[in-house]
Amino acid sequence: DVKVTQSSRYLVKRTGEKVFLECVQDMDHENMFWYRQDPGLGLRLIYFSYDVKMKEKGDIPEGYSVSREKKERFSLILESASTNQTSMYLCASSRGDRVLSGANVLTFGAGSRLTVL
Amino acid sequence: KQEVTQIPAALSVPEGENLVLNCSFTDSAIYNLQWFRQDPGKGLTSLLLIQSSQREQTSGRLNASLDKSSGRSTLYIAASQPGDSATYLCAVPGYYNTDKLIFGTGTRLQVFP
Repeated sequence: DVKVTQSSRYLVKRTGEKVFLECVQDMDHENMFWYRQDPGLGLRLIYFSYDVKMKEKGDIPEGYSVSREKKERFSLILESASTNQTSMYLCASSRGDRVLSGANVLTFGAGSRLTVL
Repeated sequence: KQEVTQIPAALSVPEGENLVLNCSFTDSAIYNLQWFRQDPGKGLTSLLLIQSSQREQTSGRLNASLDKSSGRSTLYIAASQPGDSATYLCAVPGYYNTDKLIFGTGTRLQVFP
């Protein structure tokens, strides 16, 4: 069964800590994404990667960085966690075919709920 | 800038009812539209994808329609069941980067026995 695995389901961190959220996919997908989901705001894209070592800012990249050293792994890094980064973080992946081929169907992980105190 | 809206935000119905969830988008130049389901505390599962050239897609008791010209999509759920209780989200590709999806805020559905 193909899947996207997020290593931590629940994390509690303190303000100022460095936080790593890990995501691994086993579908050989080119594209990987990090979203955060907040009540009333829906899903907002933080960062996007379309290839190893390639990344692109999403709509809300401030306070975050990412790393993609291997195709299957996409890490989200909070350099200095703040309380406004308390949220549900969702990782997703998709094939790299262009949308005209009917691709870009996302497969999501189960999510990582981060609380920053 | 593309904006995606879903109304209502929440819906509670008795088991067995047929129901319609609505999704609207401001820029009709979309390649496709997807509907997702999200169970509480979980990730999203893709339900249906409608290409811009299609008017509807069906999967079991689910039927999604797309009217690009009016900027609307509907998700029809027939004979609803308590197991259908979840949040339903629609999403369209961004115009300049079609690999990125823009999501609506979702409709939280509760089907009670």
